[in-house]
Amino acid sequence: DAGVIQSPRHEVTEMGQEVTLRCKPISGHDYLFWYRQTMMRGLELLIYFNNNVPIDDSGMPEDRFSAKMPNASFSTLKIQPSEPRDSAVYFCASTLSGRWTDTQYFGPGTRLTVL
Amino acid sequence: GQQLNQSPQSMFIQEGEDVSMNCTSSSIFNTWLWYKQDPGEGPVLLIALYKAGELTSNGRLTAQFGITRKDSFLNISASIPSDVGIYFCAGRTQGAQKLVFGQGTRLTINP
Repeated sequence: DAGVIQSPRHEVTEMGQEVTLRCKPISGHDYLFWYRQTMMRGLELLIYFNNNVPIDDSGMPEDRFSAKMPNASFSTLKIQPSEPRDSAVYFCASTLSGRWTDTQYFGPGTRLTVL
Repeated sequence: GQQLNQSPQSMFIQEGEDVSMNCTSSSIFNTWLWYKQDPGEGPVLLIALYKAGELTSNGRLTAQFGITRKDSFLNISASIPSDVGIYFCAGRTQGAQKLVFGQGTRLTINP
């Protein structure tokens, strides 16, 4: 079975440009999470969705960040405009509600570099 | 906000040695999880703990849910080269969906 799919795997962009990260969760999972990982701050939850509805976006750093989930098989995280401090690895994870909610399956991540 | 203190931050050991790491929190958690992250990959769940005092094993890995519900421990016995990576603890409070992650323990093994 395919796991969580993220694209692109690597993104290099210049400050001020718009960046869109994409995620396809595991089929049938009803929760989707976006995380950011940096050396300084570790793994931080940005936002999560349940049945395509945003539930908690308190981790989104500022208005430059937005996330959408138009359907059960696709989500995007957009940064506009991007800044060098946004450089990080962004992970998407999905899970199925119930006791095994804790088994969040992570994608391979998108390494973002903003110059 | 909630924070998990994970220690040590890094470990350098010889192949065959046992490894111990732990996480502590000022908050009570109802679930403790341990993940491993290989270079260039996302974290993968190793062990999940749901009950205070619970001791669970997964091969050479053993984890415990602290009796106070504010800490957890992970032990790796007889380390091998493929154990190299970053280990994260994560906690979840009652009724919450989101996880709080520790800062990670980077394990390096000298052959």
